[in-house]
Amino acid sequence: EAQVTQNPRYLITVTGKKLTVTCSQNMNHEYMSWYRQDPGLGLRQIYYSMNVEVTDKGDVPEGYKVSRKEKRNFPLILESPSPNQTSLYFCASSLSISGQNTEAFFGQGTRLTVV
Amino acid sequence: AQSVTQLGSHVSVSEGALVLLRCNYSSSVPPYLFWYVQYPNQGLQLLLKYTTGATLVKGINGFEAEFKKSETSFHLTKPSAHMSDAAEYFCAVSDLRSGGGADGLTFGKGTHLIIQP
Repeated sequence: EAQVTQNPRYLITVTGKKLTVTCSQNMNHEYMSWYRQDPGLGLRQIYYSMNVEVTDKGDVPEGYKVSRKEKRNFPLILESPSPNQTSLYFCASSLSISGQNTEAFFGQGTRLTVV
Repeated sequence: AQSVTQLGSHVSVSEGALVLLRCNYSSSVPPYLFWYVQYPNQGLQLLLKYTTGATLVKGINGFEAEFKKSETSFHLTKPSAHMSDAAEYFCAVSDLRSGGGADGLTFGKGTHLIIQP
């Protein structure tokens, strides 16, 4: 089954303790992206990647890191989490078809609470 | 730069009534437009999209949306609401380069649809 898998689904952590949220897709997609969803703000893009070893900042990258060592995986790293990073996080992936329409597939989400 | 405005953070309708969720966009070039639905504790699911051609687009679950260039709008409608339609709905815009891919979507703030029995 084609899917984007995020882990964990729920995480409660303390301020300053490094954490990683994993994202994996099995559709051989080139594009992957991380969003955070906050009440009243919708989804905002954190980072995206257009292929292996190619990443770029989205609208709200501060406090986050990503890596793309393999095509299928795109982990989100919080080196020193703070309470303002408490949010619902989504990973998405899509094919690279320049100039033509494609579709983004989303993971189930990771609800992170930083205390 | 692109932006999306969804009017009304919460919309409440009675079961069986018309659903109308409003979306206006701003883009310097003709965009691709999308509606996504998010059910409780779920990820986002594509409802429908407009790319080119017919401006009235039909999606899943009986929803449809009409692209009106002169009004820069892409409102989502459903003739008769069902209890199972209760969810969060997001309008999104993408430019032609990314075509709706995971790299180039800009989302509105979302509208929570409440269905009254």
